[in-house]
Parts: sequence; structure tokens; C-alpha cells
Amino acid sequence: EAQVTQNPRYLITVTGKKLTVTCSQNMNHEYMSWYRQDPGLGLRQIYYSMNVEVTDKGDVPEGYKVSRKEKRNFPLILESPSPNQTSLYFCASSLKLPRLAGSDTQYFGPGTRLTVL
Amino acid sequence: SQKIEQNSEALNIQEGKTATLTCNYTNYSPAYLQWYRQDPGRGPVFLLLIRENEKEKRKERLKVTFDTTLKQSLFHITASQPADSATYLCVGRDDKIIFGKGTRLHILP
Repeated sequence: EAQVTQNPRYLITVTGKKLTVTCSQNMNHEYMSWYRQDPGLGLRQIYYSMNVEVTDKGDVPEGYKVSRKEKRNFPLILESPSPNQTSLYFCASSLKLPRLAGSDTQYFGPGTRLTVL
Repeated sequence: SQKIEQNSEALNIQEGKTATLTCNYTNYSPAYLQWYRQDPGRGPVFLLLIRENEKEKRKERLKVTFDTTLKQSLFHITASQPADSATYLCVGRDDKIIFGKGTRLHILP
């Protein structure tokens, strides 16, 4: 089954304790992206990757890191989480970079609800 | 700044009627617009895409229009059902991906 998986689904942590949220897709997609979703603000892009070893900042990259060592995986790293990073996080993937593909669909993971105390 | 705006107020529609959701964009020229459905606590799911040179697209009970003069897309669900209750997101695609904040739709039995 084609899917994007994220782990963990729920995480409660404390300020300053490094954490990683994993994301994996089994569709051989080139483009992957991380979003956060907050009430009243909608989905905002954190980072994206156009292919292996190619990553770039989205709209709200501060406090986050990513890496893309393999095509299928795109982990999100919070080196020193703070309470303002409490949010619902989504990983998404699509076949190619949107627009270059002309008509592309993003497939979203199930979400990771992160609480930073 | 570039914006995709959707009605932030929830929309209540009687079952069986047509639900119409609005997406307006400003300072932006999306090559195409997408509509996604999102259920609470879950990831968005793609529904329909319409390109700037297309006036209308249909898929089963769904219809979307794209008016580049009005800078607006309308999303219609005909013969609405309680199972259609969800938040619907409009997404603009050009060099930049911009998400609208979504409109919550409630279909009342």
C-alpha cells in the first residue's frame, strides 16, 4: 500500500531534549516536505527536499533541522525543542517538485502531535 | 503578501443540498489550485486539481471552478452527506506552495 508513515504519532517531551520525528515513504517520490499545523494558522511549511542530499527552508525553519540521506526517509530534528514548537506535524511527499510535474499531488502522513513542556 | 484565503467560519449545510466553499487568492498567480480534505487529527487527502487554463473540473459529486479574473476557486459538493463533514483546504501551486487555512464543513442530517 502506497503510504507515508511518521513516528512517533504522539510525543510529550521537555524543553531542550533533542528529538527526531521520522518520516518514510514507499512511493519512490523525489519531493518530501515537513509542515506544522497550528489552530488559526493553517499548514506552514518547515523544510522541503527535492531529492537526496537536497534540502531547503520553507516558511518557518527556525529551530528545526532535516536531512535526506536516502530517497525514502526525511527525518525532522529538533535539537533543542521549546514550548512554541508544540504543534501537529505532517510529513508529505510527491513524485516530483510541484509545478515542474505540472499536476502533482502531495501525500500526507498521519501526523505527529508534539507537546513540549 | 501572497495569500490564499478561505472562509474561516464553519459552513453548515443540510444533507442533500449543495455545499459551496470559496477560495480567493491575492498577490499570487497559481498555475493550478488543489483541494484537499482533512479530518480532525489526520493528514490532508487530495481531492481535485484545476489548472489556470481550465474553467471547471468534476469528480463524482465534486466540482471545482477556477476564475482567474475574480482570482477565485469554488468547490462544490452536490447531494451532500454527513460523511462529507470535514475541513477542506485550498492549496495554490506556483513557485511557492501556499495553503489556505481551510473551511470546516458540517453536513446536518
